[in-house]
Amino acid sequence: AQTVTQSQPEMSVQEAETVTLSCTYDTSESDYYLFWYKQPPSRQMILVIRQEAYKQQNATENRFSVNFQKAAKSFSLKISDSQLGDAAMYFCAYRSARSGTASKLTFGTGTRLQVTL
Amino acid sequence: DTEVTQTPKHLVMGMTNKKSLKCEQHMGHRAMYWYKQKAKKPPELMFVYSYEKLSINESVPSRFSPECPNSSLLNLHLHALQPEDSALYLCASSRRLGLDTYNEQFFGPGTRLTVL
Repeated sequence: AQTVTQSQPEMSVQEAETVTLSCTYDTSESDYYLFWYKQPPSRQMILVIRQEAYKQQNATENRFSVNFQKAAKSFSLKISDSQLGDAAMYFCAYRSARSGTASKLTFGTGTRLQVTL
Repeated sequence: DTEVTQTPKHLVMGMTNKKSLKCEQHMGHRAMYWYKQKAKKPPELMFVYSYEKLSINESVPSRFSPECPNSSLLNLHLHALQPEDSALYLCASSRRLGLDTYNEQFFGPGTRLTVL
């Protein structure tokens, strides 16, 4: 079974600064997908960024980028130029690429990010 | 339209009540999901529907009864719940199961359920 670990329950960053959220996972599979979801206090889970395991290039979405280290099974999220609206709970998630796995997401325990002025 | 909607936003019910949660999407997605999320925890998968048929039941107690009457709608019928069932119930949808690519799930805003 796959597991996802987020070792930082809480992080804080000043506005306009850069912060990195950590995520490690354990799997015996070679083909899979990784995601970062953001859940603000308004509760709606929003997809921030995604990465395919077979792609060596790290995914980037505007101020959000990942550092994907497949051998180390690490998938960290970097937020540049942090904004007050980035304050939220961030979940790292894993999905197998094997057929028959029903697109099941395995979530980490989350990191709560605070953004201060 | 890239939205998943859920009603009601909040629900308070007694242990003997029967109520239903509703989820709707108009993205043409053929996979729909119910999750339960307790405070400060990640979502836990409850049910998965694929093409209106139940594909996964994660050993959820029978007091939770899902229904998918059509490709856009997903219901969760609640009966004889316990106080520990109080949680945020999230609905999600994705294009279809077993897809080759990301097939990311789009989440609704959730229903905050309180069982007294």
